[in-house]
Amino acid sequence: AQSVTQLGSHVSVSEGALVLLRCNYSSSVPPYLFWYVQYPNQGLQLLLKYTSAATLVKGINGFEAEFKKSETSFHLTKPSAHMSDAAEYFCAVSDPSQGNLIFGKGTKLSVKP
Amino acid sequence: GAVVSQHPSRVICKSGTSVKIECRSLDFQATTMFWYRQFPKQSLMLMATSNEGSKATYEQGVEKDKFLINHASLTLSTLTVTSAHPEDSSFYICSGSGNQETQYFGPGTRLLVL
Repeated sequence: AQSVTQLGSHVSVSEGALVLLRCNYSSSVPPYLFWYVQYPNQGLQLLLKYTSAATLVKGINGFEAEFKKSETSFHLTKPSAHMSDAAEYFCAVSDPSQGNLIFGKGTKLSVKP
Repeated sequence: GAVVSQHPSRVICKSGTSVKIECRSLDFQATTMFWYRQFPKQSLMLMATSNEGSKATYEQGVEKDKFLINHASLTLSTLTVTSAHPEDSSFYICSGSGNQETQYFGPGTRLLVL
């Protein structure tokens, strides 16, 4: 069985500050891990993914995430927040043999000017 | 990147009518398509998984006779909400995957049942 926990349903940062969105997972098999972003009334856009290659993954819009097996974590970071980063962010895990995604509950990121 | 479209983006219907939502993969072949439902301020809940040419696999608690899914081609899947009721009002999102590795999501369909 797999599960995802996103710590903090709402994170607020100032423009230019570091963004850190936390994600911990549970999986009985080596997982694939994903971060998606959702803007209001829109679908999900893939930010980045870990599929058992490099543990530090770089994605779009300056985001990156590091897979840490020992900590069962896949936290999302961005060095400097931009106003356009304000959105809902979802972490997800999948079993590579099945392809189904299990989503976390999401973290809403607010960016203050 | 891979693009998935959904139509319509928004639909309002009367209680008791049926609504069809289309999901298309525009630049890749989606051997598997997924249908999700999202309630306000909540995460996505998987409703069903469909492979091209096969019957859909529904998640526990999802009525297969109410939510009819067809995946007739590698680029098109449809979800029909039959005899819709106000509690079916939600945001429905589809995704497609060509290799079981990554899902690409559509923009979603907002359904309001009056």
